[in-house]
Amino acid sequence: LAKTTQPISMDSYEGQEVNITCSHNNIATNDYITWYQQFPSQGPRFIIQGYKTKVTNEVASLFIPADRKSSTLSLPRVSLSDTAVYYCLVGEGNTNAGKSTFGDGTTLTVKP
Amino acid sequence: EAGVAQSPRYKIIEKRQSVAFWCNPISGHATLYWYQQILGQGPKLLIQFQNNGVVDDSQLPKDRFSAERLKGVDSTLKIQPAKLEDSAVYLCASSWTGGQPESQYFGPGTRLLVL
Repeated sequence: LAKTTQPISMDSYEGQEVNITCSHNNIATNDYITWYQQFPSQGPRFIIQGYKTKVTNEVASLFIPADRKSSTLSLPRVSLSDTAVYYCLVGEGNTNAGKSTFGDGTTLTVKP
Repeated sequence: EAGVAQSPRYKIIEKRQSVAFWCNPISGHATLYWYQQILGQGPKLLIQFQNNGVVDDSQLPKDRFSAERLKGVDSTLKIQPAKLEDSAVYLCASSWTGGQPESQYFGPGTRLLVL
């Protein structure tokens, strides 16, 4: 299983762009990279998933360099409601999705 | 589309008592997961089902924890007897398992306090 490393916490201000980087040096050829967001008293919620280069959806962008040993979640123009814990997972995105291991995540605090 | 349902939402028990949690996944999802999340930590996978078969239970403390998914739909997770260190949020998640990259859909969790 590929282990991931993320910063424990980050602070930002409303309206800024936030980039959270995840290191996964042992990523395997078949592994996808998935990011989840978790608010207090709720289960994690899927944000974005990718395999290589760049993926963008209505919420975030995911940048993955050619060697795939790291990835960066980019949240454009954050608001107070983006304050949450963000988890990076690496694993096969199909039947073995459960073999992706949650680390302790990055606690993002957005300030006014 | 209805989400993953879990009950109860909260449970307080004394150590050595038994407790059971219930999960109803999203309709059509073949894979079901149970996670334990201790305060301040990320979720830890306890068991993964594919339909009604167990795919991975390597981190399930089998001396006290058990889980079943009869008929490949609903699932129950039981702890018997409970210990103080079992105090945590128990999350249920499900996914399609359609052979393509996919995400897990999580329920709201059951918060367990063991006194």
